[in-house]
Amino acid sequence: ETGVTQTPRHLVMGMTNKKSLKCEQHLGHNAMYWYKQSAKKPLELMFVYNFKEQTENNSVPSRFSPECPNSSHLFLHLHTLQPEDSALYLCASSQDSGTDGSPLHFGNGTRLTVT
Amino acid sequence: AQKITQTQPGMFVQEKEAVTLDCTYDTSDPSYGLFWYKQPSSGEMIFLIYQGSYDQQNATEGRYSLNFQKARKSANLVISASQLGDSAMYFCAMREGRRGYQKVTFGTGTKLQVIP
Repeated sequence: ETGVTQTPRHLVMGMTNKKSLKCEQHLGHNAMYWYKQSAKKPLELMFVYNFKEQTENNSVPSRFSPECPNSSHLFLHLHTLQPEDSALYLCASSQDSGTDGSPLHFGNGTRLTVT
Repeated sequence: AQKITQTQPGMFVQEKEAVTLDCTYDTSDPSYGLFWYKQPSSGEMIFLIYQGSYDQQNATEGRYSLNFQKARKSANLVISASQLGDSAMYFCAMREGRRGYQKVTFGTGTKLQVIP
């Protein structure tokens, strides 16, 4: 079983739909992240949760709503999305205690297409 | 200004040869870390190697080494003895400061293709 699991792998939704992306980490990490990867653009940090508390919201539109019920699970709730929101959404986790070198561990991502 | 710059959109390398992927960074924070990740076509981001700003020696992990030149603010990835499975996107990334979580900035990536 991989360390960070994302479901679904692929998602197609209309602009009026409501859907959720799920991420689960089995690494005992204390921080979880959502990143957006669009074609030919750098990965964009969306949200960070540390010990279940949201510590970063990188000016993300309110149609994206994160939820972190515990340190192992992270959700991204989607509603009334736009076609430009089509992208690969990557979840990551890390063990952070203020020291260097703890890498982000990523899941396989959810490929989202908004029609 | 971009924090991480990868100037090579695509690179080709002959199998079994070495290749260098360029990365320059920009930060005023004295404490930072530099990462390289590999992303195959399957989409997963795979951590390869890490270099801390205070590390005296260049990091090495198997066939991967990081050529860290602090004064030039460069952190190039060197892959020795390239293999067909090395064909992928490679991303340079930087973590700034010391926090309870990591705010990591990524470059635009370099697509490496290994030729048999």
